[in-house]
Amino acid sequence: ETGVTQTPRHLVMGMTNKKSLKCEQHLGHNAMYWYKQSAKKPLELMFVYSLEERVENNSVPSRFSPECPNSSHLFLHLHTLQPEDPALYLCASSQDLDVNTEAFFGQGTRLTVV
Amino acid sequence: GQNIDQPTEMTATEGAIVQINCTYQTSGFNGLFWYQQHAGEAPTFLSYNVLDGLEEKGRFSSFLSRSKGYSYLLLKELQMKDSASYLCAPMDSNYQLIWGAGTKLIIKP
Repeated sequence: ETGVTQTPRHLVMGMTNKKSLKCEQHLGHNAMYWYKQSAKKPLELMFVYSLEERVENNSVPSRFSPECPNSSHLFLHLHTLQPEDPALYLCASSQDLDVNTEAFFGQGTRLTVV
Repeated sequence: GQNIDQPTEMTATEGAIVQINCTYQTSGFNGLFWYQQHAGEAPTFLSYNVLDGLEEKGRFSSFLSRSKGYSYLLLKELQMKDSASYLCAPMDSNYQLIWGAGTKLIIKP
């Protein structure tokens, strides 16, 4: 059983819909991340949070909006999606930033745009 | 710039040994991670190397040469369940993981 839980596992959205992805970690970690994984491409880091504060935003379009209400929960709000957005969206957590410890991943949300 | 290079796909036989290579260029270095990812599943941590040499963990071993910017993952006594993608990820000076595209390993009976 993973310490990082993501819901939903699959999401089908119209381009004009608004939906949210949820991530919860039960590991007591201070850092949380959103990644995008497209087929045959490296993981793309989207957002990084440390102790509920956003510390990095890698030029992600504004149609992706993260929210971190506390150190255990992370959301990714989606709207006005584009054809290049279908992918596996992975949440991860690690003990802290700036330390060389491993990240723990959730199983991801597979996003399909119709 | 930062770059990771690993083969896209490899095929091996059940019971055999396979070595997955990874070369990297990063801005600074804080160790290198290997992750395993089964199709539709979360990446899971396999190994971490920060010093040169071989780290052995059961059937899996990982090697690092910092001077060459090179690492490999060695899988012994391959089992069908080892069919997965293997992701090489060095950590740069900002403690950010730099991800390769992964090597898809196919195990045949």
